[in-house]
Amino acid sequence: SQKIEQNSEALNIQEGKTATLTCNYTNYSPAYLQWYRQDPGRGPVFLLLIRENEKEKRKERLKVTFDTTLKQSLFHITASQPADSATYLCALDPLKYTGGFKTIFGAGTRLFVKA
Amino acid sequence: DGGITQSPKYLFRKEGQNVTLSCEQNLNHDAMYWYRQDPGQGLRLIYYSQIVNDFQKGDIAEGYSVSREKKESFPLTVTSAQKNPTAFYLCASSPSGQGNTEAFFGQGTRLTVV
Repeated sequence: SQKIEQNSEALNIQEGKTATLTCNYTNYSPAYLQWYRQDPGRGPVFLLLIRENEKEKRKERLKVTFDTTLKQSLFHITASQPADSATYLCALDPLKYTGGFKTIFGAGTRLFVKA
Repeated sequence: DGGITQSPKYLFRKEGQNVTLSCEQNLNHDAMYWYRQDPGQGLRLIYYSQIVNDFQKGDIAEGYSVSREKKESFPLTVTSAQKNPTAFYLCASSPSGQGNTEAFFGQGTRLTVV
């Protein structure tokens, strides 16, 4: 079946370390992949978008990689802070070049950063 | 401030009742979406609208209805036909399709059947 997989187990790390979250997908060839942050009881907030022809994208302490051969994206937060604690969702458009109206979201990975 | 507003934040529904969730945006976005979020699952698309007066079913449209009479408004009605409506509902908008652009989400409405 077609799906996006994110680690359902929470990730616990120490402040200052790099957090790495994984998003794997099957049976898709997305042109874009997105990452969102969601805090409890609130709507997701967009963080980064990476295109299929981009290997890596950076924004401040965030880095996203996109390996279309492995069908995997990695999301890194360097020098993590307790304020980074949240659930991180990956999302993609399963239908390449068809408008992106049916973006599919993963269930997310919960990140806890301890001081 | 530009943004997308959902109301109410919490909503309680009795068995057999229809309820309507409000979603308003002042971002001048053409596309709007409704998602449902259940614990441990990804967001699931209920309905989406590409332009005013047009909307399409998503993956789990049964038991829901929408309208798009104005660009800024996309209300969702949860009908009595929806057998398991308790969930967190999220409305979103984007300039066009989401694939190559970010979506802006509201703060969500938590619906509980009592």
